[in-house]
Amino acid sequence: GAVVSQHPSWVICKSGTSVKIECRSLDFQATTMFWYRQFPKQSLMLMATSNEGSKATYEQGVEKDKFLINHASLTLSTLTVTSAHPEDSSFYICSARDYSGTDTYEQYFGPGTRLTVT
Amino acid sequence: AQSVAQPEDQVNVAEGNPLTVKCTYSVSGNPYLFWYVQYPNRGLQFLLKYITGDNLVKGSYGFEAEFNKSQTSFHLKKPSALVSDSALYFCAVRDWADSWGKLQFGAGTQVVVTP
Repeated sequence: GAVVSQHPSWVICKSGTSVKIECRSLDFQATTMFWYRQFPKQSLMLMATSNEGSKATYEQGVEKDKFLINHASLTLSTLTVTSAHPEDSSFYICSARDYSGTDTYEQYFGPGTRLTVT
Repeated sequence: AQSVAQPEDQVNVAEGNPLTVKCTYSVSGNPYLFWYVQYPNRGLQFLLKYITGDNLVKGSYGFEAEFNKSQTSFHLKKPSALVSDSALYFCAVRDWADSWGKLQFGAGTQVVVTP
């Protein structure tokens, strides 16, 4: 149980275009999802907290107009990188909390999406 | 504000030897502590957590960790390392007062287990 998927697993796009990344909780309801960014051999940097049915909360320094987050249902959150530039190239990871029962305190992580902007 | 420190960028150990990955934390209240492992180009896999109770926590794949409140540490241990344990390990802390459950991650420790 507690599986989180991401799609696509990798994507290459041209500078100036937009890319959408999906994060799905497959076997549980996720009221809250998190989006992280990770540079090679570095830690995870929390970008935003996504709550179903409400606006995402962005961490300081993260451009909300560039990284659009939509959490339209209890099993799906999307991250859209708008007008992507090479510096947006990174590994994007989502995670989700299971609110369907007792809080396990854990976050369940997706496998990540490798974005390369050329 | 909460923070996590992993003082070692890399830990090298021979297969069969004990493995320890260090973690210290700082939170304003009671800590919720976690260990995750990441293999190349993959997401994070949960290993174990400390929420309350027994200070020695046993987790997946033979790993365990000991919560030490006086030293504010939560070191990860495995009695006998395997080559397949080679990966990037992250310690994380969650402040009990954070209702959204945001995690603060350490910088990560690369574990290299040699045959």
